[in-house]
Amino acid sequence: DTEVTQTPKHLVMGMTNKKSLKCEQHMGHRAMYWYKQKAKKPPELMFVYSYEKLSINESVPSRFSPECPNSSLLNLHLHALQPEDSALYLCASSPGQGNGANVLTFGAGSRLTVL
Amino acid sequence: GQNIDQPTEMTATEGAIVQINCTYQTSGFNGLFWYQQHAGEAPTFLSYNVLDGLEEKGRFSSFLSRSKGYSYLLLKELQMKDSASYLCAVIHRGYGQNFVFGPGTRLSVLP
Repeated sequence: DTEVTQTPKHLVMGMTNKKSLKCEQHMGHRAMYWYKQKAKKPPELMFVYSYEKLSINESVPSRFSPECPNSSLLNLHLHALQPEDSALYLCASSPGQGNGANVLTFGAGSRLTVL
Repeated sequence: GQNIDQPTEMTATEGAIVQINCTYQTSGFNGLFWYQQHAGEAPTFLSYNVLDGLEEKGRFSSFLSRSKGYSYLLLKELQMKDSASYLCAVIHRGYGQNFVFGPGTRLSVLP
């Protein structure tokens, strides 16, 4: 299995809703990432988990809450979002060790629309 | 902080060779990566350089000069399917897996 799977592919939510984005990989990768990408812009790093511990939080607002239940799963909990949070949310993973330790494998993304 | 620069758009002809440049300024450096992203899809890994020199992978090659803060991606024998955005990303030393992506170069391959 060489894939990163993200669900849902599309999500529409109101500003008062609570929802979650999910990401799963079975490549044995020990680092997992959340990126946010707006149209025609590069991905922006949000969070990094390394060996299931949060290692990087790029000053992301608290309405985004990451969770890493185990080494294969990564969630992003969403609450009280703003319309400007509408974007493509990309999950990625990397081996974390050995040759190619930092090569990212991306999921297909979850396209979020906040009304 | 880090600053990464790439040309915004490039156009080339099918069968030709194109070079996409990336310049970076960073207080630490731990590797430079190239990714391809087709519209509406996730980025896919192409190549990476940690040391100076050229890395060749089929039709794609990537070059790095750490002293100049400069890299390029060379695409040979261009095909229509190579029309995509090309992103260079730098890992900042001391930040583990902190990738910072450049703005991306949108390449259009014309018949």
